[in-house]
Amino acid sequence: ELKVEQNPLFLSMQEGKNYTIYCNYSTTSDRLYWYRQDPGKSLESLFVLLSNGAVKQEGRLMASLDTKARLSTLHITAAVHDLSATYFCAAGGGSYQLTFGKGTKLSVIP
Amino acid sequence: DGGITQSPKYLFRKEGQNVTLSCEQNLNHDAMYWYRQDPGQGLRLIYYSQIVNDFQKGDIAEGYSVSREKKESFPLTVTSAQKNPTAFYLCASRILGGATNTGELFFGEGSRLTVL
Repeated sequence: ELKVEQNPLFLSMQEGKNYTIYCNYSTTSDRLYWYRQDPGKSLESLFVLLSNGAVKQEGRLMASLDTKARLSTLHITAAVHDLSATYFCAAGGGSYQLTFGKGTKLSVIP
Repeated sequence: DGGITQSPKYLFRKEGQNVTLSCEQNLNHDAMYWYRQDPGQGLRLIYYSQIVNDFQKGDIAEGYSVSREKKESFPLTVTSAQKNPTAFYLCASRILGGATNTGELFFGEGSRLTVL
């Protein structure tokens, strides 16, 4: 059974600082997804990582995938308030069902 | 515009009543999914369907039922057997197969069910 663990689950950071969210998964998966959720809203796709060593960047967010370590990271550079949200990672199962982590609630404070 | 439409957005139900949440997609996606989200929690899979007239239970199917009579529609019924139905329900869909398919899930806007 595929399990996905994110840490930290809560993150409060000051504007302008850098931080990394970690996503570990328990069994082989060559695909990893990152989503963002604003309060009361649905999930918005951020990144799709399809192979070992994949790195994708959008603005102040950069995601990477290490399939050998079963680890993906979401790095935040010079955080701004607009990045406050909950971030989920999800790994693909054998039948391509996605298993989601519990999410990391990020609060960026001035 | 292509997308996934869920309705209603908000729904109140009395205990003992069944309610049906609608999910329609015009993306021509093969597979459709229902997830439940509780406050501060991740997403838990209720049911999914990869083809018309076929569906499988997810991790928390008890107290729920679904149908897939058309490719574009996947309604979820929350029955009175569901002990704690108050939650945010998300419908999603995606393409299956294909050399360039990323397997990415696309989500509807969600339906918030409250049991009074």
